[in-house]
Amino acid sequence: EDQVTQSPEALRLQEGESSSLNCSYTVSGLRGLFWYRQDPGKGPEFLFTLYSAGEEKEKERLKATLTKKESFLHITAPKPEDSATYLCAVQATVTEGGYNKLIFGAGTRLAVHP
Amino acid sequence: KAGVTQTPRYLIKTRGQQVTLSCSPISGHRSVSWYQQTPGQGLQFLFEYFSETQRNKGNFPGRFSGRQFSNSRSEMNVSTLELGDSALYLCASSQSDWTVINTEAFFGQGTRLTVV
Repeated sequence: EDQVTQSPEALRLQEGESSSLNCSYTVSGLRGLFWYRQDPGKGPEFLFTLYSAGEEKEKERLKATLTKKESFLHITAPKPEDSATYLCAVQATVTEGGYNKLIFGAGTRLAVHP
Repeated sequence: KAGVTQTPRYLIKTRGQQVTLSCSPISGHRSVSWYQQTPGQGLQFLFEYFSETQRNKGNFPGRFSGRQFSNSRSEMNVSTLELGDSALYLCASSQSDWTVINTEAFFGQGTRLTVV
């Protein structure tokens, strides 16, 4: 069964303490992997799309990488405003019907303290 | 340009009632998908519409339905509300039919539904 697993569930960092969030997936027919940031009570905000293994994308203090089995979201020198839940979603092809589906992980709650 | 707009932002309903939620996608986007988000289940896919046609559907009971209009605006309806339907309902729009083509989905702020 197609599955997306994010770890850790929660992460507490001190301001400036770099770390990485993990998104591992087991899907057939991977079409793309997306990272979103979600603040409490708000909708997810699009961050990155990765399509193939070896691909990397950067935005300010965030860098996303992709391998054949997992993706990492690296956070360099985080600030308190980076505190949010980070969601990973995988776009995979549904065998029956040929349509794509978007499967979300449960997210990693990141708290950055000054 | 304007993002995805969902109305209302908050809603309180009684068990047994029905509710309609609205979503206006980003201008030019033709695909609208709906998700239910709860603390225990995370983001669960409800259904996706493209050019007024439902292209894909998640594993939700028939009480959950939707439609899309010619201007790409979409509505989601939940009939005979249950306590377990309390959740944040999110709408996402894509420029193309994401169920076929790789494309990003952009989310609205959501409608917080509370069933009492």
